[in-house]
Amino acid sequence: DTGVSQNPRHKITKRGQNVTFRCDPISEHNRLYWYRQTLGQGPEFLTYFQNEAQLEKSRLLSDRFSAERPKGSFSTLEIQRTEQGDSAMYLCASSLVSGPYGYTFGSGTRLTVV
Amino acid sequence: AQSVTQLDSQVPVFEEAPVELRCNYSSSVSVYLFWYVQYPNQGLQLLLKYLSGSTLVESINGFEAEFNKSQTSFHLRKPSVHISDTAEYFCAVSDSWGKLQFGAGTQVVVTP
Repeated sequence: DTGVSQNPRHKITKRGQNVTFRCDPISEHNRLYWYRQTLGQGPEFLTYFQNEAQLEKSRLLSDRFSAERPKGSFSTLEIQRTEQGDSAMYLCASSLVSGPYGYTFGSGTRLTVV
Repeated sequence: AQSVTQLDSQVPVFEEAPVELRCNYSSSVSVYLFWYVQYPNQGLQLLLKYLSGSTLVESINGFEAEFNKSQTSFHLRKPSVHISDTAEYFCAVSDSWGKLQFGAGTQVVVTP
């Protein structure tokens, strides 16, 4: 068990380009969450999956954002036509069961849009 | 709807001195409360949590937090801090499905 793994750790992209991030959760965890953290703020919920089903999406997740979790294993978060306001740390977390037990976070992917 | 307010954005403290980080929440349903710690360029690590039972919860590295329902608070304390406790601390409240709502964070800076 190597924890929650996120790749890449850092991504610099030009405005208007598409980017994709990957999250590999702890293997037996069936819940996977995506959060976004901007400088000086706490993480904000984006979306979550139970197995391969995407159960909830935040209003923060505009139509330029899409997340998938094929086969209920790893997940990808894609941002199309990036904007400078997308610059943030994107955090992934996973948990074994549903419920208010807290979960394990990855180290995050820091996106900088120039 | 749930929300979390961390009353201090930054707390400077000398090594071996006590520290208290304040957290107030609002929720219309049963609450489950958490403290997470984030070291520079790292993800968040769970420090401690309150789900039910005893209102005083402790972590393995000397932190403790007390759930106070009447004051809707979940303040974090440590009687003697180390340089290694320098980090950002986030209070969070969870709904019954596990989705977390975080506060804005408190930066703790420990100096010798």
